[in-house]
Amino acid sequence: KNQVEQSPQSLIILEGKNCTLQCNYTVSPFSNLRWYKQDTGRGPVSLTIMTFSENTKSNGRYTATLDADTKQSSLHITASQLSDSASYICVVSRPSGNTPLVFGKGTRLSVIA
Amino acid sequence: NAGVTQTPKFQVLKTGQSMTLQCAQDMNHNSMYWYRQDPGMGLRLIYYSASEGTTDKGEVPNGYNVSRLNKREFSLRLESAAPSQTSVYFCASSEAGGGSYYGYTFGSGTRLTVV
Repeated sequence: KNQVEQSPQSLIILEGKNCTLQCNYTVSPFSNLRWYKQDTGRGPVSLTIMTFSENTKSNGRYTATLDADTKQSSLHITASQLSDSASYICVVSRPSGNTPLVFGKGTRLSVIA
Repeated sequence: NAGVTQTPKFQVLKTGQSMTLQCAQDMNHNSMYWYRQDPGMGLRLIYYSASEGTTDKGEVPNGYNVSRLNKREFSLRLESAAPSQTSVYFCASSEAGGGSYYGYTFGSGTRLTVV
């Protein structure tokens, strides 16, 4: 079954600290993997996208990694800010099909002062 | 640049009532989608439109209908609302199909409560 599992479910960190969110998937075949940020009351916004051949992709303080062999991805946030408080969703795409995108349930991150 | 605009932002319906959720995009995207987001679950696809004039069922289409009015607009209709349809609904658009490299642009959502 095509699934995307994220951990932890929720996380609380102090402002300025780093954190890493995990994503494991069983989706096959694989096209690409995205991390989205979803602020409360808003729609998801894409942070990074990685294809099969890409191991690391950065977007400012966000760095995503992908290990296509073990089907694992991580999102590392450096020097967290209060504005990083949001849900982070891992989404794996298949090349085609009625439901090519498989969404994880997200990790809820709270950054506190 | 507005992106994807959804209306209304909030709605309360009584069981059995009908309503239409509106979605419009101004990015000249070909594909449009309707998702629902429930607590503790990932976004689930209700219906999608790969291109103007076509619509297809997604993962959870029961109780919903859609209309791709033109390239810009994609509406979602609940004919007889049920409490199980209480959810946050997101419209999204993309330049090409979901499996491609093109990302999705999401609207800000419609929070629907059915009592």
